[in-house]
Amino acid sequence: DTGVSQDPRHKITKRGQNVTFRCDPISEHNRLYWYRQTLGQGPEFLTYFQNEAQLEKSRLLSDRFSAERPKGSFSTLEIQRTEQGDSAMYLCASTEGAGNYGYTFGSGTRLTVV
Amino acid sequence: AQSVAQPEDQVNVAEGNPLTVKCTYSVSGNPYLFWYVQYPNRGLQFLLKYITGDNLVKGSYGFEAEFNKSQTSFHLKKPSALVSDSALYFCAVSGDNQGGKLIFGQGTELSVKP
Repeated sequence: DTGVSQDPRHKITKRGQNVTFRCDPISEHNRLYWYRQTLGQGPEFLTYFQNEAQLEKSRLLSDRFSAERPKGSFSTLEIQRTEQGDSAMYLCASTEGAGNYGYTFGSGTRLTVV
Repeated sequence: AQSVAQPEDQVNVAEGNPLTVKCTYSVSGNPYLFWYVQYPNRGLQFLLKYITGDNLVKGSYGFEAEFNKSQTSFHLKKPSALVSDSALYFCAVSGDNQGGKLIFGQGTELSVKP
């Protein structure tokens, strides 16, 4: 297991289309986090899971966004009816335990909505 | 509410000179502090963390950071900069009972010139 994997690396979509991103965490990590990073900004928290349970969602996560981690392993982040403002880098990270010891990030999925 | 400030958008240093990237934070309770580095179109790489203990923390690639509770600061330092250190650096903080959720600063672009 070489780290956190995210797929795809890049996605270009037309406004109004739905997109889904996948994150495969490090296998023994029970916590999984999603962040969004826009150009020139630091990452912003979206949501996190402990095993399969989604424990917190940011107000940034509008009702067009949904995240799942069905078996406590990989996670998906879906954006419905994409808008140009959704263009960003979507980062996934995973960690063991309570998460306060830092985590390992994936390389991210860059979304461009045209 | 938790917050992180990186007061410098950019830091320019000559190769071989010491570097400092500044970070101040605000958090309720005990702070958990982190530095990450990001290269173009990549995810974030962990550099170092402060959880408890010695105020001087040593991390990857010769970087270190000093936790100063009275000044609520966690500045990143390196005694001798390399051109390959040029990247975007993010300071982040978490607190007690935050589920490991990180609040990031805006980032500081470090440029090391030969």
